[in-house]
Amino acid sequence: GIQVEQSPPDLILQEGANSTLRCNFSDSVNNLQWFHQNPWGQLINLFYIPSGTKQNGRLSATTVATERYSLLYISSSQTTDSGVYFCAAFSGGYNKLIFGAGTRLAVHP
Amino acid sequence: SQTIHQWPATLVQPVGSPLSLECTVEGTSNPNLYWYRQAAGRGLQLLFYSVGIGQISSEVPQNLSASRPQDRQFILSSKKLLLSDSGFYLCAWSGPAYEQYFGPGTRLTVT
Repeated sequence: GIQVEQSPPDLILQEGANSTLRCNFSDSVNNLQWFHQNPWGQLINLFYIPSGTKQNGRLSATTVATERYSLLYISSSQTTDSGVYFCAAFSGGYNKLIFGAGTRLAVHP
Repeated sequence: SQTIHQWPATLVQPVGSPLSLECTVEGTSNPNLYWYRQAAGRGLQLLFYSVGIGQISSEVPQNLSASRPQDRQFILSSKKLLLSDSGFYLCAWSGPAYEQYFGPGTRLTVT
């Protein structure tokens, strides 16, 4: 089945810094999502982005499906951005999401 | 707007006891429903998915089962819990647009 790999596994930033998180997938995918898991475990939808570029405030994402990767950009990071960021790809029918292992982000004041 | 509920939020159960976790979705019809488990704070694994009432597909062999008695209700069960069943259980739904939305989760500790 499809493999989803995220990098880096851990990231430490000072408040105000910018960062780029990467997601590689091993095969063509129908669609792709980015999530932020907050300290309480809630998975928050960031982007639904099968291809192209989207922006939402300080966050933006780009998926290049032909090259099998997606990038999540965080600009001017804040302490509230801390948590784990997951990339997940749809594989097969019925939208079965395959998750990467996540990037754990810590933003320090 | 659509809302997804899970309960209980936390649960501590002894080994060998039964389990029932419930998930309900509001504001949509005929959703696809999913159960995921997350262990050790990373990596979600799909356990079950359902495309309709009474239709359940299992992704991994395990000690758990799922049922969908109503269109917007999804239940995760076990007859006898194992220590390895501990984890964070998340329910999700998707509609025709394919994007999945997750509930708040249930943290299960088996002692």
